[in-house]
Amino acid sequence: AQTVTQSQPEMSVQEAETVTLSCTYDTSESDYYLFWYKQPPSRQMILVIRQEAYKQQNATENRFSVNFQKAAKSFSLKISDSQLGDAAMYFCAYRSYPNTGNQFYFGTGTSLTVIP
Amino acid sequence: DGGITQSPKYLFRKEGQNVTLSCEQNLNHDAMYWYRQDPGQGLRLIYYSQIVNDFQKGDIAEGYSVSREKKESFPLTVTSAQKNPTAFYLCASSPLQGYSGTDTQYFGPGTRLTVL
Repeated sequence: AQTVTQSQPEMSVQEAETVTLSCTYDTSESDYYLFWYKQPPSRQMILVIRQEAYKQQNATENRFSVNFQKAAKSFSLKISDSQLGDAAMYFCAYRSYPNTGNQFYFGTGTSLTVIP
Repeated sequence: DGGITQSPKYLFRKEGQNVTLSCEQNLNHDAMYWYRQDPGQGLRLIYYSQIVNDFQKGDIAEGYSVSREKKESFPLTVTSAQKNPTAFYLCASSPLQGYSGTDTQYFGPGTRLTVL
């Protein structure tokens, strides 16, 4: 089974500053999807950004961007101009492409605090 | 609006009782999932289903049971055999593996189960 590792249990950032959350994964597959999900205090899981492994270009969504390093099996999330509403738990996730089990594999999460 | 609903939001159970958590989706997704979330442990897969009347055990299926009689519904029963059921439970759905940009997993708002 694939494993996803988030080595930073907690991170903090000053409002308006930039922060990067780390994620590494272990796989022998060549094609797959990677995701970052946000879980605010409401506990509703919200998709932040997704990346297809076959695409070399890093995905961006407004203030959120990723640094996808396929050879290093690294998938970090950069949040620019941090806002108070960005405070949440962030989970990195992996899905095979194609996949025989349709499973998603999640990291243990990084708790982000935004300091006013 | 399309989405996933879970009920109830909060559930209290006495020891020795079985309880059923509801999950309904109107996204026309084939795959549905149940996750358990405990502090510091991320999301752990309990069961998942790719098609009606078929489901597979995840990493922590012991003490849980599911059914998939309809595409839209995937209820989870927490049995008295589950030794430590107090947790937050998330239901999710996704399209089956395909070759488009629709392989994202979507989540319901969750159910908080507490054993008294």
